[in-house]
Amino acid sequence: GAVVSQHPSRVICKSGTSVKIECRSLDFQATTMFWYRQFPKQSLMLMATSNEGSKATYEQGVEKDKFLINHASLTLSTLTVTSAHPEDSSFYICSASRGGGDEQYFGPGTRLTVT
Amino acid sequence: SQQGEEDPQALSIQEGENATMNCSYKTSINNLQWYRQNSGRGLVHLILIRSNEREKHSGRLRVTLDTSKKSSSLLITASRAADTASYFCATDKAGSYQLTFGKGTKLSVIP
Repeated sequence: GAVVSQHPSRVICKSGTSVKIECRSLDFQATTMFWYRQFPKQSLMLMATSNEGSKATYEQGVEKDKFLINHASLTLSTLTVTSAHPEDSSFYICSASRGGGDEQYFGPGTRLTVT
Repeated sequence: SQQGEEDPQALSIQEGENATMNCSYKTSINNLQWYRQNSGRGLVHLILIRSNEREKHSGRLRVTLDTSKKSSSLLITASRAADTASYFCATDKAGSYQLTFGKGTKLSVIP
């Protein structure tokens, strides 16, 4: 149990376009989902925390208008990178939690390349 | 500086040897967790140790936690080539579910 999927696993897009990444909890209801970004050979940096049905809380330095997060259901959260630029190229990882202090279950990640 | 910093940054050992990685953090924590990440892949949860625990074992893994020194260690015994990966510690604070990750240790186990 506690499986989290992400789609797509890899995406290449042109500069200026938008890309949507999906994060799904397959066998549990995720009250809270987290989005992380990981640059090559670096650690995971938390971008935002989203609770189902409410607005996401963004970490300092993360532009909420550029990284749109929607957590409309207990099994799905989406991250949309708007007007993507090459510097947005990164590995994006989501995690999901049942809430109440439950551990986070991580998705396999999405490799975004902006050309 | 960043909560959760591992050392060494990179470690190369022969198969069968033990590998020890350390993690230091700066603020009070609720739990400390260790994760493994194979190159370009997602995270695999290895073990969680609570702030009131000092040592925990899981198979070939042994984790220690010293809250007075704000440090933890991960020991992998009898390493295998398949253990080659990056290892991260992550901490969470009381009252917060957010995880703060360290910079990671890249372990290479040579067959």
